[in-house]
Formats: sequence, structure tokens, C-alpha cells
Amino acid sequence: AQSVTQLDSHVSVSEGTPVLLRCNYSSSYSPSLFWYVQHPNKGLQLLLKYTSAATLVKGINGFEAEFKKSETSFHLTKPSAHMSDAAEYFCVVSERTYKYIFGTGTRLKVLA
Amino acid sequence: DVKVTQSSRYLVKRTGEKVFLECVQDMDHENMFWYRQDPGLGLRLIYFSYDVKMKEKGDIPEGYSVSREKKERFSLILESASTNQTSMYLCASARTGSNQPQHFGDGTRLSIL
Repeated sequence: AQSVTQLDSHVSVSEGTPVLLRCNYSSSYSPSLFWYVQHPNKGLQLLLKYTSAATLVKGINGFEAEFKKSETSFHLTKPSAHMSDAAEYFCVVSERTYKYIFGTGTRLKVLA
Repeated sequence: DVKVTQSSRYLVKRTGEKVFLECVQDMDHENMFWYRQDPGLGLRLIYFSYDVKMKEKGDIPEGYSVSREKKERFSLILESASTNQTSMYLCASARTGSNQPQHFGDGTRLSIL
């Protein structure tokens, strides 16, 4: 069965420092993995997706994520945080059509 | 760019009313979804549709119904609104395939008084 665990519910970083948001997944098959960002009172915006091509995936706004099968992880990183990155981030796993499993979210706070 | 449009950003209704939430997508996606999002509970799937007039229950369908008469439009209906249905409602669409991402609307924040 699929599942996804976001290891931190809250992360705080200073502006200009690296961001690491952690996501572990469980899947019986070769999954597809996604990261989304949600700003207050908005919908979810797709940041990036992994679909069994390159294991290092680059997304929008300078974010990237690395798929590590041996560790069943798909952590999201960004070299330098910006104030506008403050939002909630969701890791999502899908191994079959119609079935998307969402993590519980990580709220990122960026300190000036 | 995919555009998913939800008809209302904010909506206030009274207990017992019949409430319609509308969602339209412009990318000819086969699949459409309705979620509700509540603090501490994350996103929960209410219903999804994989074709016109076809629908499947999600994890929390009780108290809701849906309608998909046209491919681009997916409506969520609260038959008799109750206060515990106060929530943020998110619509999404996607092409068929597990590697296809969902595309979300901006959400409707619904308050039932």
C-alpha cells in the first residue's frame, strides 16, 4: 500500500540559507512523486514531479528534489531561501491512476 | 498552462441549504477531483470522476454528491449543508496515468452558519 510521510510539520530557516523538506514514501510499485506548494488561501501549485526518468528533478522557483529508491525518500531542497518561499509544502505519491496520497504538509517559515 | 477555475473563493451559507460548488478546467483532462482541506486533517478526497457522468466515491463522500455533465465541469453538491461541512474545498484535474500530476484550483472557503 502507498503511504507518504513528511518528517517535519514545521521548518524555520533564515533568508538566504538552504531549505530541506523531508519526505519518505512507501510503495509496492514504481511510484510517481510530486511536490506541491500552497500559499495562504490558495490552491496547490505543482513544484516538480518524478516519474521514473532522472532521479534529480528540477522544479520551479529554484527547488529540486532527489529520488532515492534505496532510502525511499524524495526530499525537497533549495540552495537559498527567499521570503516568498514561506508556505506549506506537500509531498504526494501516486502508483496508479486516480490514487494520489498526500503527506500531511510541512509549513516553511522564512526568517528575515 | 492548465487552468482550473472554482466559481467562488468565499461562500457563506446557512444550515440546511443546498450548496453547489462549481469547477471548470480548460485542458481537456479526463479526471477531476474534489477534496476538502481541514487543519490537522490534510487533504481528504470526497469524490472523483474519470469521465463524463462517471464518478467514484472517495474517502469521505457522506453528505456530498457530484455531477459531471460535461468533460470540463465538475460540480460538488452539499445536499443539506451542516456546520461540520465548513471547510476549504479544492478541485483538481489530471490526465489519466499515475505519472500525471493533478492541477488545482484556488479553492473555495465555505462557511456554514
